[in-house]
Amino acid sequence: GAVVSQHPSRVICKSGTSVKIECRSLDFQATTMFWYRQFPKQSLMLMATSNEGSKATYEQGVEKDKFLINHASLTLSTLTVTSAHPEDSSFYICSARATTGVAFFGQGTRLTVV
Amino acid sequence: GNSVTQMEGPVTLSEEAFLTINCTYTATGYPSLFWYVQYPGEGLQLLLKATKADDKGSNKGFEATYRKETTSFHLEKGSVQVSDSAVYFCALSAQGGSEKLVFGKGTKLTVNP
Repeated sequence: GAVVSQHPSRVICKSGTSVKIECRSLDFQATTMFWYRQFPKQSLMLMATSNEGSKATYEQGVEKDKFLINHASLTLSTLTVTSAHPEDSSFYICSARATTGVAFFGQGTRLTVV
Repeated sequence: GNSVTQMEGPVTLSEEAFLTINCTYTATGYPSLFWYVQYPGEGLQLLLKATKADDKGSNKGFEATYRKETTSFHLEKGSVQVSDSAVYFCALSAQGGSEKLVFGKGTKLTVNP
C-alpha cells in the first residue's frame, strides 16, 4: 500500500526553539495533506489542512503563526512548531490523501519540549 | 459538533477470543465511518469503512456495521490473534471521504497467546 514517511519520529528540543517535522508521500502524489495532534489519552485532533501550492487552512483554536505549515510539492509537507513551549509537547501525525480519496498516515512524531 | 465516543481500554484478550470495541458517534447528516488500526511503531492504517446506513465494512476478519438508529459502528472479530495487538481508532468524516476525520480516543488491544 501507499507509504507516508514522517520524520523525525522523536525529537526533544529546548523551550524557545523551533522544530520542523516532515511528511512525505513516498509512492504517490498528495494534493492534500492533514496535520493532527494527539494528547495523551485523547483523540487525534485535526490542526490544519494543507493543499499543495496554497496556504494551509487551520482549525479553530490553532495558532497559524505558531504552527507553520508548508506544502511546497505534491510529495512533501512540513510543520514547523515555532518558539516551542512545554505545552506544545505532543504527538503529531500527518496524513496524505491520494487521488483515490483514501488518506494514508505517517508514523507520527513525538515532540518533547524541555 | 461532530464527535466519536469509543470504548476505553486497554483491552486484554486471549488468543481466539471474541472481540468487540464499541463506537458511537454524533454527527449531522450522513457521515462516513471508519476504523483505523495502528500497529506498534507504524502509522495509522485504514482497517475498514462504511459510507451509508446498514453498510457493513469488513477486512482481515474484522467487521463493523453502520447503524444509524443507534448511531453506532462497533468493531467485532470472532477470533483474535496475537498479531491483532494494536491501537484501534474509530473515526467519522462528515464530508464523506478522508476529509477532516474526527477520531475517537483509541482503544489499545493486547492479545496474549
